[in-house]
Amino acid sequence: EAEVAQSPRYKITEKSQAVAFWCDPISGHATLYWYRQILGQGPELLVQFQDESVVDDSQLPKDRFSAERLKGVDSTLKIQPAELGDSAMYLCASSFLAGKDEQYFGPGTRLTVT
Amino acid sequence: QQQVKQSPQSLIVQKGGISIINCAYENTAFDYFPWYQQFPGKGPALLIAIRPDVSEKKEGRFTISFNKSAKQFSLHIMDSQPGDSATYFCAASDDKIIFGKGTRLHILP
Repeated sequence: EAEVAQSPRYKITEKSQAVAFWCDPISGHATLYWYRQILGQGPELLVQFQDESVVDDSQLPKDRFSAERLKGVDSTLKIQPAELGDSAMYLCASSFLAGKDEQYFGPGTRLTVT
Repeated sequence: QQQVKQSPQSLIVQKGGISIINCAYENTAFDYFPWYQQFPGKGPALLIAIRPDVSEKKEGRFTISFNKSAKQFSLHIMDSQPGDSATYFCAASDDKIIFGKGTRLHILP
């Protein structure tokens, strides 16, 4: 069964350092999402791609976060510089269609900023 | 502004019992209401979803009840099993999906 791949699974970094997360969506899925999930809360959308284009980044802290999906396949989310409040699970999801299609989530990257 | 309110925050149910999780929404433009199940160390996975043109949808032991006028929907898990122990998220979507804060469900063996 096809799955969304994410790496690394765990990342510990010191504040002010740069971190990057990678996501490989299910083959053929044009829509890719990055979510942040704080412990005890639901996922919160950071950015949504349709192919290589950003369609929603309204909740992305653009002063420190960036995301790209250059060839419309895999994607990278970067944080620079990391802050203590960035400690969370970062989830990637993909879907065949945008909007109301089922989203398939990866296992996530657990980030701890010290 | 939290647009999807979920309760309870945690729930303990005896094996074989009925687990009930409730959600309420504010935005009347929402027209797709999925429930996701998340096990520790895993990403959420779609469990069941409903659209507002029906009042109930059942898949196996899982049932969504939907009340459009009250802007509420709920998940019922019949004959709850220890393997159902997980965190459950309701969500609502128009063009963007908004998740509730989750319910940690524990089924006692």
